[in-house]
Amino acid sequence: DVKVTQSSRYLVKRTGEKVFLECVQDMDHENMFWYRQDPGLGLRLIYFSYDVKMKEKGDIPEGYSVSREKKERFSLILESASTNQTSMYLCASRASGWGSYEQYFGPGTRLTVT
Amino acid sequence: SQQGEEDPQALSIQEGENATMNCSYKTSINNLQWYRQNSGRGLVHLILIRSNEREKHSGRLRVTLDTSKKSSSLLITASRAADTASYFCATDSSARQLTFGSGTQLTVLP
Repeated sequence: DVKVTQSSRYLVKRTGEKVFLECVQDMDHENMFWYRQDPGLGLRLIYFSYDVKMKEKGDIPEGYSVSREKKERFSLILESASTNQTSMYLCASRASGWGSYEQYFGPGTRLTVT
Repeated sequence: SQQGEEDPQALSIQEGENATMNCSYKTSINNLQWYRQNSGRGLVHLILIRSNEREKHSGRLRVTLDTSKKSSSLLITASRAADTASYFCATDSSARQLTFGSGTQLTVLP
């Protein structure tokens, strides 16, 4: 079974802090994704990566950056956390190639910025 | 940008009844997927239907796709209390990323 793990289930940070959210997958997937989920808005894509050291902006990249130094690990960075970044953050991975369309999600990190 | 939009936003039914959720989208797609999310957890993939398919079954799930109307429906038959969750449709237009809708919250009452 594919397993996607996220470093924390719950996180509380103060405004202005630098925040790192870590995601690790164990199935050698090329593609990894970071979403945020807010009530009534569904999942919105922040960034994704289709290879090591590669990244592409999603729909809402402002205020975030990412790092992918190893294939299995994709980090989301909030350079200076703000209260409007309080949200549920979900990481996902997906294989490449024909027929590999489904995404596998981690359990999520609920981040509160005070 | 929101591609898929689910309808209704919330649905409450009795155990044993069928639940139908609908999804509309705006652009052409390669495939459409349905995911389930239990409260406070990650999403789990349920079923995928390709753009050249009209109907697909998996256990108690039935998905239809009408590309002319840009819509899909998810039917859960003989619902159980354990089916209580949020259900999301996601459209695959680029084969690299999915675009998710805002979800339908299904409550199945015992």
